[in-house]
Amino acid sequence: SAVISQKPSRDICQRGTSLTIQCQVDSQVTMMFWYRQQPGQSLTLIATANQGSEATYESGFVIDKFPISRPNLTFSTLTVSNMSPEDSSIYLCSHFGGDPFEAFFGQGTRLTVV
Amino acid sequence: TQLLEQSPQFLSIQEGENLTVYCNSSSVFSSLQWYRQEPGEGPVLLVTVVTGGEVKKLKRLTFQFGDARKDSSLHITAAQPGDTGLYLCAGFNAGNNRKLIWGLGTSLAVNP
Repeated sequence: SAVISQKPSRDICQRGTSLTIQCQVDSQVTMMFWYRQQPGQSLTLIATANQGSEATYESGFVIDKFPISRPNLTFSTLTVSNMSPEDSSIYLCSHFGGDPFEAFFGQGTRLTVV
Repeated sequence: TQLLEQSPQFLSIQEGENLTVYCNSSSVFSSLQWYRQEPGEGPVLLVTVVTGGEVKKLKRLTFQFGDARKDSSLHITAAQPGDTGLYLCAGFNAGNNRKLIWGLGTSLAVNP
């Protein structure tokens, strides 16, 4: 199983600014997933990121607001652009691995927009 | 669109009590997983059930997959404060672009 290191673990940001969240995996993985989660609630998939192609966004999420980079098979970033208080949430990166497969997650980034 | 209904959403019980969390769908899944998440961490896999009618036990936790592979349950016996956390079920179909379908989550608090 590949371990994911995610940073920052938390941040407080001013509205109108942007924050880039980084995820580093300790082995190569094909697909990475970015989720948003309100504390104590379920996960909402933002997008799926494959290396060498544009990310695939879920309904309600757009590239201009959440640009994603996937420069290689061990790294991905999610940027939350032009932030507003409504973007305050926990953001998680994830990948599949193992047999049978399971989802592995980074530690999460707790974002507060003021 | 595949949906997973999870209940209850919140549960606060005393140490030593038993509880059951349910995950239901109108869709068939090839497998269903249960995750547990603690504050400040990502979800961690507890179990994967694959076969209809399958029962798996993990110490005081018992997981069951419905015969039709549309529903699942998690039963905790003699809950302890260490069981406190967010429990999430997730369904998987290989043809669904390998995306997991997540339940709404059950926030469990076990009071000493």
